[in-house]
This record gives sequence, C-alpha cells and structure tokens, in this order.
Amino acid sequence: GQQVMQIPQYQHVQEGEDFTTYCNSSTTLSNIQWYKQRPGGHPVFLIQLVKSGEVKKQKRLTFQFGEAKKNSSLHITATQTTDVGTYFCAGPYGNKLVFGAGTILRVKS
Amino acid sequence: NAGVTQTPKFQVLKTGQSMTLQCAQDMNHEYMSWYRQDPGMGLRLIHYSVGAGITDQGEVPNGYNVSRSTTEDFPLRLLSAAPSQTSVYFCASSLYGGGASNSPLHFGNGTRLTVT
Repeated sequence: GQQVMQIPQYQHVQEGEDFTTYCNSSTTLSNIQWYKQRPGGHPVFLIQLVKSGEVKKQKRLTFQFGEAKKNSSLHITATQTTDVGTYFCAGPYGNKLVFGAGTILRVKS
Repeated sequence: NAGVTQTPKFQVLKTGQSMTLQCAQDMNHEYMSWYRQDPGMGLRLIHYSVGAGITDQGEVPNGYNVSRSTTEDFPLRLLSAAPSQTSVYFCASSLYGGGASNSPLHFGNGTRLTVT
C-alpha cells in the first residue's frame, strides 16, 4: 500500500487565501521531494528537503521537513490562479521514489 | 536537449491487444522509471531501471514488461491489455537512483491509454 500519505485530497480556495498540504511517511526518509502538476500537464520538480527541521522558501511557497524526517508540508501564501494544479510529495524507498496521492488545488478568482 | 520523450500521446486498445509505450531521454540519466496516474491514486511506480541491462519491479508491475538495452531507451510493454490498464502513463528519468539527493525526476509529457 501507500507508504506516503498526503492530505487533503482536494482544496478549493478563494484567490488570496492561504493553502497547505501535508505529507506523512511510514518510515524515516533521507529526503523528501515536492512536485507540481498543472492540469493536463506532467509533474515538475519544485524542491528537495534533506535536513531534519529544514525550511525552504520559493517566493510565496514555504516547504518544511519535520524534525523526525517523517513528515513534510507545503504552504502557499496568498494563492493566485497560477497556483492551480496538483501538488505531490515523494519519498525514496531504496531505489524507488514513492509519491503521495497528491492534493488538488483549485483557486476561485 | 529534448529531455524525456514519450510516444504516442494517445492510444486506444481493445482488450487483449498488445502494444509498447516508448520512452527516450537524452540527458545521459542512469535511472528511468514508469508511473501510472489514476484519479485519487497519485503516481504509482510500475517498473524502474538503475542502468542499462538492469530492471526491477515497482508497486504495480503486473501486466507490464520492460527492458533497458541502452541508457537512452526504456520501453513499456503491455502484453494483453485489460480495461484496468486504462490510465495516464508517465516515463521519468533522473541522473541517479530514484529519490537520490540532488537527483530530481524529469517527466515526459505522458501517454493517455484507453482500453475498451
């Protein structure tokens, strides 16, 4: 079964509101990766977190890696219509990169 | 560089037919993989390869075969298509093993397969 759990499955926000998606692994991870998939497109790499407690920012996006390296979050401040899409976290298990089920973000303008 | 190239973009098969989804990358990546994407299920790993001549199973390998005779190519074969294989298929590659640090996956544009 899924070794990477991601919630929520779906979120519909008003433009300007914040958005957060959460990711949990059943085991400790060496790193965690985040990808974004625009509607009709393919997943595109956003960022990788490696260190315990690491926080990285990309403009309005903030990524966190938990102290135990088993959970992670992506927070978007003041969403825009360009943020729509599906956000995936992914963790390595041996040579396999296992993806969460993704969170679909819709933004009402 | 073209990156990861998948063909075809769309395909309709009848139950029991066979076909091969093509994937090629020109980035000299050692690692290549196939995922399928279904609503609510995320991306599930079918097969992967850590280098030419080496392949291994992912989470959902049944009904699919792969081979890796060259670094560049990683075709996915459906021997006898079933309606349960209706999905969007993505090929992805990375410099090193899946999930290795500083080695993100690069995805192709996908193949939308329908089996009737």
